[in-house]
Amino acid sequence: KNEVEQSPQNLTAQEGEFITINCSYSVGISALHWLQQHPGGGIVSLFMLSSGKKKHGRLIATINIQEKHSSLHITASHPRDSAVYICDLFPDNDMRFGAGTRLTVKP
Amino acid sequence: DAMVIQNPRYQVTQFGKPVTLSCSQTLNHNVMYWYQQKSSQAPKLLFHYYDKDFNNEADTPDNFQSRRPNTSFCFLDIRSPGLGDAAMYLCATSPGQGMADTQYFGPGTRLTVL
Repeated sequence: KNEVEQSPQNLTAQEGEFITINCSYSVGISALHWLQQHPGGGIVSLFMLSSGKKKHGRLIATINIQEKHSSLHITASHPRDSAVYICDLFPDNDMRFGAGTRLTVKP
Repeated sequence: DAMVIQNPRYQVTQFGKPVTLSCSQTLNHNVMYWYQQKSSQAPKLLFHYYDKDFNNEADTPDNFQSRRPNTSFCFLDIRSPGLGDAAMYLCATSPGQGMADTQYFGPGTRLTVL
């Protein structure tokens, strides 16, 4: 069983929809990182979470350490949000990536 | 202003011909990472430096080596590239101040092996 599971793997939405991407993990972690990768390869760090909830613009990230689960939400989605969203763990001194969720937002 | 710079952005090499990819940073971060990312897959950590301390992932092939001559620069050497090494290679840095470090990624170098 993978240590990090992301769902869904692929997601297509209409512009304006509320998007949720989930990340579940099975190891103890110190922090969890949400990354955004655009077509062409550039990776942007969105959030680093160790507890609770963070918000930046239309993006919201939450984490429940006890349940070993994190979610990334996008409100009022826009075509420019189309990207791969990757969940990245920090268990001890290693890093574990989820497989990514490919989001396509159609106008 | 570019903070993590990778050169070249596109690299073509021949099967078996050594190639070096470079990464530089203006952030004065302690930690530098090299990742390999193949099409439609998540990045895979190859190794990282904490200052001068080199940390190799257990499943990184011996064909991949790295050098960090100073804080600002880190190199990825592929001694004998195979067709399976064609990928995007990403460099990242982090301050190294704690476990909740944010990583800052460069734009990547896309390697083609002919």
